[in-house]
Amino acid sequence: DAGVTQSPTHLIKTRGQHVTLRCSPISGHKSVSWYQQVLGQGPQFIFQYYEKEERGRGNFPDRFSARQFPNYSSELNVNALLLGDSALYLCASSSILTSGSYNEQFFGPGTRLTVL
Amino acid sequence: TQLLEQSPQFLSIQEGENLTVYCNSSSVFSSLQWYRQEPGEGPVLLVTVVTGGEVKKLKRLTFQFGDARKDSSLHITAAQPGDTGLYLCAVSPQTGANNLFFGTGTRLTVIP
Repeated sequence: DAGVTQSPTHLIKTRGQHVTLRCSPISGHKSVSWYQQVLGQGPQFIFQYYEKEERGRGNFPDRFSARQFPNYSSELNVNALLLGDSALYLCASSSILTSGSYNEQFFGPGTRLTVL
Repeated sequence: TQLLEQSPQFLSIQEGENLTVYCNSSSVFSSLQWYRQEPGEGPVLLVTVVTGGEVKKLKRLTFQFGDARKDSSLHITAAQPGDTGLYLCAVSPQTGANNLFFGTGTRLTVIP
């Protein structure tokens, strides 16, 4: 079975531009979460979607938005890019929504975004 | 302030040595997870600990959850170059959702 896939793998943009990142969850998984990982730090939660609805939002500005499609794939959009948006953007999928001791999230390889 | 503090931040050791990395917080958690992330990849779950004082072993890796469920440690015996990576602890701070809050990470390098 394929794992979580993300596209593109690398992306270079300039300040002020817009970017769309894509994620396909593991087959059968209905929950998708997005994380930002700045170099040298742990991932930071941005959004969670379940059954096409936003179920959680981290402390990120409104320039960040996301959506989930009927096939459970997801897009993360970032407008008006800043230099500080340069990071590895990770997508994770899980089969259920609620928190729990054995609720494992499976991460994709990430999209490396560089803003110049 | 960080919810989860990991130490050390960086660790470089020779193959065959033992090491311990720590994950500390002032908050109590119902469970805690450890992940390993290799360059160019996303984090991969190693273990979930749920009971205060719990010890779990995964081959040469030993994980312990503190009695008060505020801290955890990861001990690696006879480290190998394949153990090189970023070790992250994580918790789920919100009820009703399964988003993760990650620690600051420990970057381990095992030198052959």
